[in-house]
Amino acid sequence: DSGVTQTPKHLITATGQRVTLRCSPRSGDLSVYWYQQSLDQGLQFLIQYYNGEERAKGNILERFSAQQFPDLHSELNLSSLELGDSALYFCASSVVGDFYNEQFFGPGTRLTVL
Amino acid sequence: DQQVKQNSPSLSVQEGRISILNCDYTNSMFDYFLWYKKYPAEGPTFLISISSIKDKNEDGRFTVFLNKSAKHLSLHIVPSQPGDSAVYFCAANLSGTYKYIFGTGTRLKVLA
Repeated sequence: DSGVTQTPKHLITATGQRVTLRCSPRSGDLSVYWYQQSLDQGLQFLIQYYNGEERAKGNILERFSAQQFPDLHSELNLSSLELGDSALYFCASSVVGDFYNEQFFGPGTRLTVL
Repeated sequence: DQQVKQNSPSLSVQEGRISILNCDYTNSMFDYFLWYKKYPAEGPTFLISISSIKDKNEDGRFTVFLNKSAKHLSLHIVPSQPGDSAVYFCAANLSGTYKYIFGTGTRLKVLA
């Protein structure tokens, strides 16, 4: 158990809908990262927050947005969902947002768009 | 454009033998590399890392080698155990950024 929690575990929805994925980092971790893993793909970095502020952006679509709240939990919002958005979404956290920090991953949320 | 490549999607090794997982990268601005292990239905877990100023880092049964001129790193597991069966991802950090680029993973199966 990494100490990072993600809810829900599974989510099934229809195209065009909007969903929110939630992540609670390890106690004491200030930085949260979101990743997408599609079938047979590596982990694609989406976005990073550090202590409530956006720090780095990766291949995140404009239909997706995220935020980190004062209690440090984070939410990833996915809107106007398409079939291709079906994937595993992982959240990770680290102590600080420095370059060389081990990231601790949650178990992921499996999103299925029908 | 896949900047971090793991060209072997799968690998099978006998218990007790050496497992060698390979990773190639294209961007010379990567300066820190990590290996993660992932079991089914779990998130990746950190295994071992190496800075670009080193060419080897060892932690127990796990050793990572970095060949900067070839833009290649490898993870050696000796001796391999059935519990090592998992998907292994290599990841690279782009110097001066907070971004980690992950490879597509290699599924290792250690046969008892």
